[in-house]
Amino acid sequence: LAKTTQPISMDSYEGQEVNITCSHNNIATNDYITWYQQFPSQGPRFIIQGYKTKVTNEVASLFIPADRKSSTLSLPRVSLSDTAVYYCLVAFKAAGNKLTFGGGTRVLVKP
Amino acid sequence: EAQVTQNPRYLITVTGKKLTVTCSQNMNHEYMSWYRQDPGLGLRQIYYSMNVEVTDKGDVPEGYKVSRKEKRNFPLILESPSPNQTSLYFCASSLPDGRGGYTFGSGTRLTVV
Repeated sequence: LAKTTQPISMDSYEGQEVNITCSHNNIATNDYITWYQQFPSQGPRFIIQGYKTKVTNEVASLFIPADRKSSTLSLPRVSLSDTAVYYCLVAFKAAGNKLTFGGGTRVLVKP
Repeated sequence: EAQVTQNPRYLITVTGKKLTVTCSQNMNHEYMSWYRQDPGLGLRQIYYSMNVEVTDKGDVPEGYKVSRKEKRNFPLILESPSPNQTSLYFCASSLPDGRGGYTFGSGTRLTVV
């Protein structure tokens, strides 16, 4: 079964680093791993995408181990506005390119 | 600006009255998809399309229809809406392998009474 698993929630404080891990045991060779941020009543917003090893952009880093069965989104120095739900997304080609969202991780950043 | 446009943003309708939610993208993406989002259930895929005239069921297709006659448009059709289809709906598009990520629309909040 094509599936991703993430922690349900995590709390943090302003200025701290937040790391969210997603497991995707059935990922195939050509599948990309993409992370999204969603605020209430808005569409998910692209954060970062990776295939292997490490990817960094201006807002986050994505770490992918060699076996690619998990990935970790790292948000450096979070602020209150980073309070949102974060989703890990893998297009499982073995499942006919169905996009499988995990349950999402609700991140609460406290002052 | 690259975007996915959904209409309407809000819709209240009555049980059994056919409705269509439109979705259009301007990025020449082959892949398009519809999701519904309900409290506690996250985002669930309804239907997706790999290209024109190619559509397939997602995880919750019952009660919905789609069509892909043109590359840019992917309307979601509810032939006979029921109250359990009250939800927040999102359309998304991407390149066929997902490279570059998926672009989501702003959502359509549907209420069926």
